[in-house]
Amino acid sequence: EVQLVESGGALVQPGGSLRLSCAASGFTFSSYNMNWVRQAPGKGLQWVSYISSSSSSIYYADSVKGRFTISRDNAKNSLHLQMNSLRAEDTAVYYCARDLSGSAAWGQGTLVTVSS
Amino acid sequence: SYELTQPPSVSVSPGQTARITCSGDALPKKYAYWYQQKSGQAPVLIIYEDNKRPSGIPERFSGSSSGTMATLTISGAQVEDEADYYCYSPDSSGNPPFGGGTKLTVL
Repeated sequence: EVQLVESGGALVQPGGSLRLSCAASGFTFSSYNMNWVRQAPGKGLQWVSYISSSSSSIYYADSVKGRFTISRDNAKNSLHLQMNSLRAEDTAVYYCARDLSGSAAWGQGTLVTVSS
Repeated sequence: SYELTQPPSVSVSPGQTARITCSGDALPKKYAYWYQQKSGQAPVLIIYEDNKRPSGIPERFSGSSSGTMATLTISGAQVEDEADYYCYSPDSSGNPPFGGGTKLTVL
C-alpha cells in the first residue's frame, strides 16, 4: 500500500524556519517525481514545489522562491521542505504528493501555522 | 504560468448529472486532471489525462476536454459525492496550477 506520511508542522513565529518531512513507503520512491502542495485554511490547493526523481530538476512557486528549499533522500525514502523566512500567508496544511498526474498519491498533510 | 478557472459552486439533486467545468488557455495542448477532496481529507485523483479513471473510481465519474475547456461529469450524483473538486494541468514553466476549486452540493 502506498503511504506518504508528513511531519514537522508546528506553530512558528513570522520570520522563523521549519523543516517538513515526508516518509514514503509501499512504492519505489526513487522512481517518482515528488511535490509539495499546500492549502490555506478554507482555501484551495496551491502547488508549492517539485523535485524530479533524481533531484536533477527542481521548481518552486513564485510565492516561495528564495525562501523554501525542496530536497529528497532516495536512500531513506524521504522528501523534505526547508522553509525559511516564514510569513503569515504561509499558514496552511502542507501535503506531500507523488506525481500529481496519473499515478498521484497524497499524504494526509501537516499543519504549519505562522503567527506571533 | 497560466490560470485555470472553475465555477465556485455547483448544486444538483441526488441522481442528477453534475458537470463541473475548468477553463484554461493551455488546455488544448495539455491534459487535465481532476481531484476530489472531501471535508478534512487529502485530495484524491479521480480523472487523469482528460478522461481516464484510476482503479477504484466509480464509473459515474467521467472527464472530457474540448478546446480551452475540460469538464468533469458525475452521472447520477450521490450524496457521498459532495466534495470540493479541483482541476489541475501541468505546464512547462514548472508552475503547475490548480483551478480554484468547485464545491459540489448534492441535496
